[in-house]
Amino acid sequence: DADVTQTPRNRITKTGKRIMLECSQTKGHDRMYWYRQDPGLGLRLIYYSFDVKDINKGEISDGYSVSRQAQAKFSLSLESAIPNQTALYFCATSPLGETNTGELFFGEGSRLTVL
Amino acid sequence: RKEVEQDPGPFNVPEGATVAFNCTYSNSASQSFFWYRQDCRKEPKLLMSVYSSGNEDGRFTAQLNRASQYISLLIRDSKLSDSATYLCVVPQDFGNEKLTFGTGTRLTIIP
Repeated sequence: DADVTQTPRNRITKTGKRIMLECSQTKGHDRMYWYRQDPGLGLRLIYYSFDVKDINKGEISDGYSVSRQAQAKFSLSLESAIPNQTALYFCATSPLGETNTGELFFGEGSRLTVL
Repeated sequence: RKEVEQDPGPFNVPEGATVAFNCTYSNSASQSFFWYRQDCRKEPKLLMSVYSSGNEDGRFTAQLNRASQYISLLIRDSKLSDSATYLCVVPQDFGNEKLTFGTGTRLTIIP
């Protein structure tokens, strides 16, 4: 079983719908991240959280919100999906204290298509 | 200059050959650098870290040229299983939330 699990793995939805992508991890890491990946662009950070009470915006947070329900769970919501939010979304974790190791542990990704 | 720039490829290389590709970065203050590997439709995974002039791990060598602000990844005796996209990652500041990912270089090893 994967240490970082994302659900759903694939989702097709329509413009204006609310979508939630969920992430859970068994690595015991405090830090969790949501990224999106688009063809021709590098992974871009949407939101990150250092612990349950800490939520921070990343590079491209507009149109997204997150919830850190527990140390192991971090969900990403699109309140009203639009077509340019069609992308591959990755959740990632890293341990607290490893301030700059560069090692992120990614989930398998959630492919979202907004029609 | 873009924060992180990579040749997208594709690099099509015969099995057993040596291949190298570069990544240029703009932030001269960056101290550490990373190569990730991403298989098709899979998640990225850390391949190598580079903290000083370079790092070697088996067939893989990562080198850093601070003066010209680029890092390179060299793969010797390439295997079919090396086919993947290689992402260059550069921190803009301390903390994993400050990582900038390159767009990746796609490598295909041909039998």
